[in-house]
Amino acid sequence: QVQLVESGGGVVQPGRSLRLSCAASGFTFSSYAMHWVRQAPGKGLEWVAIISYGGNNKYYADSVKGRFTISRDNSRNTLYLHMSSLRAEDTAAYYCAREGGSGWNVYFDYWGQGTLVTVSS
Amino acid sequence: EIVLTQSPATLSLSPGERATLSCRASQSVSNYLAWYQQKPGQAPRLLIYDASNRAPGIPARFSGSGSGTDFTLTISSLEPEDFAVYYCQQRNNWRMYTFGQGTKLEIK
Repeated sequence: QVQLVESGGGVVQPGRSLRLSCAASGFTFSSYAMHWVRQAPGKGLEWVAIISYGGNNKYYADSVKGRFTISRDNSRNTLYLHMSSLRAEDTAAYYCAREGGSGWNVYFDYWGQGTLVTVSS
Repeated sequence: EIVLTQSPATLSLSPGERATLSCRASQSVSNYLAWYQQKPGQAPRLLIYDASNRAPGIPARFSGSGSGTDFTLTISSLEPEDFAVYYCQQRNNWRMYTFGQGTKLEIK
């Protein structure tokens, strides 16, 4: 069955960096675009970034553009999110999610359990 | 940029009752809309895609309808496990994605 397992969260000081990982199994990882979605404590869902199945195309929410980098290693079935210049407002649970559908009709059909990032001095 | 507005913010109902949740888009999104359920401490779960198609394993009491700008998620007869937060979602402009702010379905 499809499994997505995030890791790498923790407490980090403002301005520092952190790298999240998402280990995928149960499907052909290299055939799917992948996303990161975050959720601040007590708040709603916010899309963060997408990477195409081959890794050549990447897009970001304006709130993280220039600070976060999404990447993938298809040989290791792993998705990454490198976060730099972290701010208090980046505090959230970060979920990786598999993209379902195609074209304009895109949704997130499988989600990991999330990893919590807390940005605090 | 397309904005998704969900209503009501909170819906208080009893088990066995029918729940109707709304998601309105600021401009037409055809049928390109998905619904998710999220329980406390858990990841979201896909319920509905293409506005009206149930995801695998989703009970038949969940149904989605609508097109254009107005969409509805209906739960025909609430079970205790259905009390959760529900989000709608749409792909925005080129490779950007938007969620509604959520509707909390709580036990009355």
